[in-house]
Amino acid sequence: ETGVTQSPTHLIKTRGQQVTLRCSSQSGHNTVSWYQQALGQGPQFIFQYYREEENGRGNFPPRFSGLQFPNYSSELNVNALELDDSALYLCASSTRQGGTNEKLFFGSGTQLSVL
Amino acid sequence: KQEVTQIPAALSVPEGENLVLNCSFTDSAIYNLQWFRQDPGKGLTSLLLIQSSQREQTSGRLNASLDKSSGRSTLYIAASQPGDSATYLCAVLPNTDKLIFGTGTRLQVFP
Repeated sequence: ETGVTQSPTHLIKTRGQQVTLRCSSQSGHNTVSWYQQALGQGPQFIFQYYREEENGRGNFPPRFSGLQFPNYSSELNVNALELDDSALYLCASSTRQGGTNEKLFFGSGTQLSVL
Repeated sequence: KQEVTQIPAALSVPEGENLVLNCSFTDSAIYNLQWFRQDPGKGLTSLLLIQSSQREQTSGRLNASLDKSSGRSTLYIAASQPGDSATYLCAVLPNTDKLIFGTGTRLQVFP
């Protein structure tokens, strides 16, 4: 157990709908990153939040947005869902104090299916 | 553009064998390289992190090496066990915010 929890574990939506995924970071961690993992692929970086501000973004359209709250938990919102959004969405937490040589702690993910 | 490749894509070995998983990356400007384990439909578990200034890291039966100049890393698993069956992912940290992952090696260890 990493201490990073994600909800829900599974979700089924239809094309065009909106979805919100949630992540609680490990105690003491102030940085949350979100990744999308399509079937058979490695995770792809969506964005990172540090102290409630977006701190980096991957190659994802603006309909992917996020929030980080004062308790460092985070949400990933996806609008206008497309079939290709079907994937495992992973949240990872860390502390910036370790700089670039710290491990990320991943949650178990949310499996999103878009029909 | 940084790209990470893992070979082989899949591997099936009998219990007890020593094995090597390979990872290559195209740009040597990285802060670190990490190896993760992923069980089916689950999240990632960090196995080893090698800083750019290091050559290798060891944890139990696992040993990871890094040759930054040639853009290569290997994960060595000694005396494999059925419980080692999982997908192993390699990732590099090219800047301070994101990891770039390979597509993984799917390992099956049979009794």
